Amino acid sequence: EVRLVESGGGSAQPGGSLRLACTASGFPFSSYEMNWVRQAPGKGLEWVAYISSSGTVTYYSDFVKGRFTVSRDNAKNSISLEMTSLRVEDTAIYYCTRGRTTVRGTKFARWFDPWGQGTLVTAS
Amino acid sequence: SYVLTQPPSVSVSPGQTATITCGRLNIGSKSVQWYQQKPGQAPVVVVYDDSDRPSGIPERFSGSNSGNTATLTITRVEAGDEADYYCQLWDSSDDHHYVFGTGTKVTVL
Repeated sequence: EVRLVESGGGSAQPGGSLRLACTASGFPFSSYEMNWVRQAPGKGLEWVAYISSSGTVTYYSDFVKGRFTVSRDNAKNSISLEMTSLRVEDTAIYYCTRGRTTVRGTKFARWFDPWGQGTLVTAS
Repeated sequence: SYVLTQPPSVSVSPGQTATITCGRLNIGSKSVQWYQQKPGQAPVVVVYDDSDRPSGIPERFSGSNSGNTATLTITRVEAGDEADYYCQLWDSSDDHHYVFGTGTKVTVL
């Protein structure tokens, strides 16, 4: 069974830091890209960060660039999200999710499957 | 960046068909995914690459994408289909960004 389990959520003051972790099992972790996606209370989904299968390439949403850092340890089947300079608007459930890709002609389909259960981060 | 526009809510009677749209200029040139999220749960992909279904997703869920609108259609709607639905695409021209739709609440009457 493919499984993703997040940990590390909690409360921090604005300007503070938190580190989230996600541990994967049930699939060849080092072969897959990974992402973090968040959801503020009562709001929609928002992509946060991407990391390539090797960990050498990362991308961030404009909202977190320069404040958040994603990393991975393929030996431990895990990724992390280091969050600094937290803002009230960073309050959300943070989901770890595996990246999937298919190519059809010139169109790239990239999506998220599966998702972890999420971990709540509160900055207040 | 930008968002993908979805209707906030769709109401449908059991056994009828629900249609959810996702709008963006020339969205047909991108591959679109759809996620179902039930209260208190993580999202689950129900359609990927415009119209493909992951294993375990009923054939009642189908997708299409052309022009400025992508569409998720749920036929023979059941009470268990009541959930929030989000469209999503990947934009390679925007520094490898993923974009979600605004979300649609499907209510089964």
